[in-house]
Amino acid sequence: EAQVTQNPRYLITVTGKKLTVTCSQNMNHEYMSWYRQDPGLGLRQIYYSMNVEVTDKGDVPEGYKVSRKEKRNFPLILESPSPNQTSLYFCASSSIGPAKNIQYFGAGTRLSVL
Amino acid sequence: GDSVTQMEGPVTLSEEAFLTINCTYTATGYPSLFWYVQYPGEGLQLLLKATKADDKGSNKGFEATYRKETTSFHLEKGSVQVSDSAVYFCALSDPGDYKLSFGAGTTVTVRA
Repeated sequence: EAQVTQNPRYLITVTGKKLTVTCSQNMNHEYMSWYRQDPGLGLRQIYYSMNVEVTDKGDVPEGYKVSRKEKRNFPLILESPSPNQTSLYFCASSSIGPAKNIQYFGAGTRLSVL
Repeated sequence: GDSVTQMEGPVTLSEEAFLTINCTYTATGYPSLFWYVQYPGEGLQLLLKATKADDKGSNKGFEATYRKETTSFHLEKGSVQVSDSAVYFCALSDPGDYKLSFGAGTTVTVRA
């Protein structure tokens, strides 16, 4: 089954404690990205990756890091989380080419930073 | 930059009612347009899309037509069911880009 898997689904942490949210896809997609969803703002892109070792900033990258060492994985790293990063996070992936922009989303990670 | 504006919710309907969610956009060039749906506790799923002017996307009884003259992509369904209760997002992407720009989302609740 084609899927994007995020872990954990729920996370409560404290300010300044480093955390990583994992994302893995089994569709051999080149493109992967992270979004955050906030009430009234829709989804905003944090970072994206066009392929292994190729990453770039989205619209709201401050306070986040990513890496793309393998094609299937695209972890999101918060090195020093702050309360304003409390949000619902989604990982997405898609192929590059004629079927581009049919993006597949993970089930989401709800993060609370106290 | 690109932006998407969709009608604010929440929207509450009775089963078999007609649903319309308005969506307008601002973009340079000719973007692709999408509707995504988010069921409770789940990630977003592509509902339908249109890639050029006058295209009509359709799926699961939902329809939306790409109107370049009014820069709109309104979502419609003629007879909703309780299972259509979800958050609906209008989105666009530029031809040379993979990033999706989303509207704020519209929460739809259908009552039996």
